[in-house]
Amino acid sequence: GAGVSQSPRYKVAKRGQDVALRCDPISGHVSLFWYQQALGQGPEFLTYFQNEAQLDKSGLPSDRFFAERPEGSVSTLKIQRTQQEDSAVYLCASSSSRGPREPQHFGDGTRLSIL
Amino acid sequence: KQEVTQIPAALSVPEGENLVLNCSFTDSAIYNLQWFRQDPGKGLTSLLLIQSSQREQTSGRLNASLDKSSGRSTLYIAASQPGDSATYLCAVKGNNRLAFGKGNQVVVIP
Repeated sequence: GAGVSQSPRYKVAKRGQDVALRCDPISGHVSLFWYQQALGQGPEFLTYFQNEAQLDKSGLPSDRFFAERPEGSVSTLKIQRTQQEDSAVYLCASSSSRGPREPQHFGDGTRLSIL
Repeated sequence: KQEVTQIPAALSVPEGENLVLNCSFTDSAIYNLQWFRQDPGKGLTSLLLIQSSQREQTSGRLNASLDKSSGRSTLYIAASQPGDSATYLCAVKGNNRLAFGKGNQVVVIP
């Protein structure tokens, strides 16, 4: 596709439910990133993939958060046993190469609300 | 840990005035710095990217400078328009990740 696509755009879940958020990066992009943006804050890094390998997951806030990219393209961020503090916008970004100087291109995000 | 600060947090200017947005960061070991625009309910649109070896980048009415040694960047928007109303985010690239400020929320008054 032309840009990074995320789905769903909005997700409402009850506390304790599991959720799955999807990211389709720009075709051919090697690197994929997930960020969490709380209301009124800048995005915070969660995790980074290079192809199918998860090279950095140091930003994941707890073991309830899990991300995968099994075929090196689409990625899924899963949150188990959701809590109210998980309410945020989850942004996905991709970049074209492994190089650290390449710009990251962002999707529109998934707005998650936990009731 | 990299800390990024943006000042002012919010500002309003009359249409036609120039905008000056400031960003500072604590660790000068960066690969590059990006300025993004974010509209309500939307993702991030990249405006300018300055590599660590560069001093500035320009695109149309936008100009961004980078002083890596002092940990500062400034985004200038010339002759502001109501369509420039948005939140502007500064982000610095370290290993594997971008570190963001909280943003400058800008309102351009017609």
